[in-house]
Amino acid sequence: AQTVTQSQPEMSVQEAETVTLSCTYDTSESDYYLFWYKQPPSRQMILVIRQEAYKQQNATENRFSVNFQKAAKSFSLKISDSQLGDAAMYFCAYRSANSGNTPLVFGKGTRLSVIA
Amino acid sequence: NAGVTQTPKFRVLKTGQSMTLLCAQDMNHEYMYWYRQDPGMGLRLIHYSVGEGTTAKGEVPDGYNVSRLKKQNFLLGLESAAPSQTSVYFCASSLHYSGANVLTFGAGSRLTVL
Repeated sequence: AQTVTQSQPEMSVQEAETVTLSCTYDTSESDYYLFWYKQPPSRQMILVIRQEAYKQQNATENRFSVNFQKAAKSFSLKISDSQLGDAAMYFCAYRSANSGNTPLVFGKGTRLSVIA
Repeated sequence: NAGVTQTPKFRVLKTGQSMTLLCAQDMNHEYMYWYRQDPGMGLRLIHYSVGEGTTAKGEVPDGYNVSRLKKQNFLLGLESAAPSQTSVYFCASSLHYSGANVLTFGAGSRLTVL
């Protein structure tokens, strides 16, 4: 079974600075998808960014980018120019591309605080 | 607005009571999921459904039952609630099975079992 590990339970960053959240995963598959979700205090789960394993190019969405290292099974999220609204729980998630019934597997999350 | 709606948003139960959480989506999604979120544990899959009339067990199915009688609804039932089931429950849906398909989440339901 696939597992997702987020080794940083909590992180903090100064406003306007850059922070990187770590995620590693364990899988024997070669084709899969990786996601970062944000959960603000409202509890709503919001998709931040998505990466397809067969694409070597790292995904980018405005101030959010990933560093995808397939061989190392690493998928870190970089937030540039951090804003107060970025404060939230961040979850890394994995989903197989090879099976019809492929639920999302989540890491335990990293709580990000943004300091003004 | 289109999306996933969960009811109720909050509920307090006594040990041994039963209840049903309702998830409704209006996006014609085939797949629906129930997750629970506990502090320090992330989201764990309870049950899921790949279509109307079908259900399957996830990672933590014990103590829960589900039904998908209509495509748009996915019900999560607790027959005899236990304090260990105190949690925040999330429903999600996706259009089809592709791994690229993004899940749309509901706003969560906070359940407390005394």
